[in-house]
Amino acid sequence: AQTVTQSQPEMSVQEAETVTLSCTYDTSESDYYLFWYKQPPSRQMILVIRQEAYKQQNATENRFSVNFQKAAKSFSLKISDSQLGDAAMYFCAYTPPSGSARQLTFGSGTQLTVLP
Amino acid sequence: NAGVMQNPRHLVRRRGQEARLRCSPMKGHSHVYWYRQLPEEGLKFMVYLQKENIIDESGMPKERFSAEFPKEGPSILRIQQVVRGDSAAYFCASSPSSIDTQYFGPGTRLTVL
Repeated sequence: AQTVTQSQPEMSVQEAETVTLSCTYDTSESDYYLFWYKQPPSRQMILVIRQEAYKQQNATENRFSVNFQKAAKSFSLKISDSQLGDAAMYFCAYTPPSGSARQLTFGSGTQLTVLP
Repeated sequence: NAGVMQNPRHLVRRRGQEARLRCSPMKGHSHVYWYRQLPEEGLKFMVYLQKENIIDESGMPKERFSAEFPKEGPSILRIQQVVRGDSAAYFCASSPSSIDTQYFGPGTRLTVL
C-alpha cells in the first residue's frame, strides 16, 4: 500500500522569505502523480501544484515549486517570497496514474505560519 | 465554470439520526470521490463513483455508510444511525476522467450531538 509521510507538523516563515515543506512517499509503482494541496482556515482544499512522475523537470507555479527526487521518493514544496495569505495547512498527496485505485493518499499535513 | 458544490456546509444531527451529504461535481466531470477528514488529521479516501456506478468503496465503513451517483442529480453520501465518531468534515472531489486532477468542494462539516 502507498503511504505518504510529512514529518514536519508545523513550520513558520517570515514574510517575503522562502520555506520548504518536506514530503516522502512509498510506492512500488513506476508511474504516478504527486500533488500539494493547501487548506486555509476556510477548510477549502486548494490545488497548489501537480507533478507527473515520468517528468524529470520539476513543476513550478508562480512562487511555488517542487523538488522531485524519484529515486529517493521525496517531493518537497518550496514557497518563495512568502505572503500572509500562504498561511495554511499543506497536504502532500499521491495517486497512481490510472485504473480503479484512483484515490488520493494524503500525508498528515504541515501547518504553515507566516510571520509579518 | 462553477466549482464543486457541496451542501449543506454544516449539518448537525443527534445520535441515531440519518445524515445526507450532497455533492454536485464541476460541469463536465463524471468522476466523484468522497473523503473524510477527522479533527487534526489528513483526508482519508472513502469511495469513488462514476455515474450510476461505484468503482471503489474500499475506504467506506462496512455498515451505516452508503454512496450513490445517479444518472441525474448530485452524488449523495448517506450515513445512517450516526454516532459521535462520525463527526468530521466530508469532502467531495470531482474530475473529468480517471487520470485527471481532482478538484475539491468546500466540504460538509458534520457534527453529531
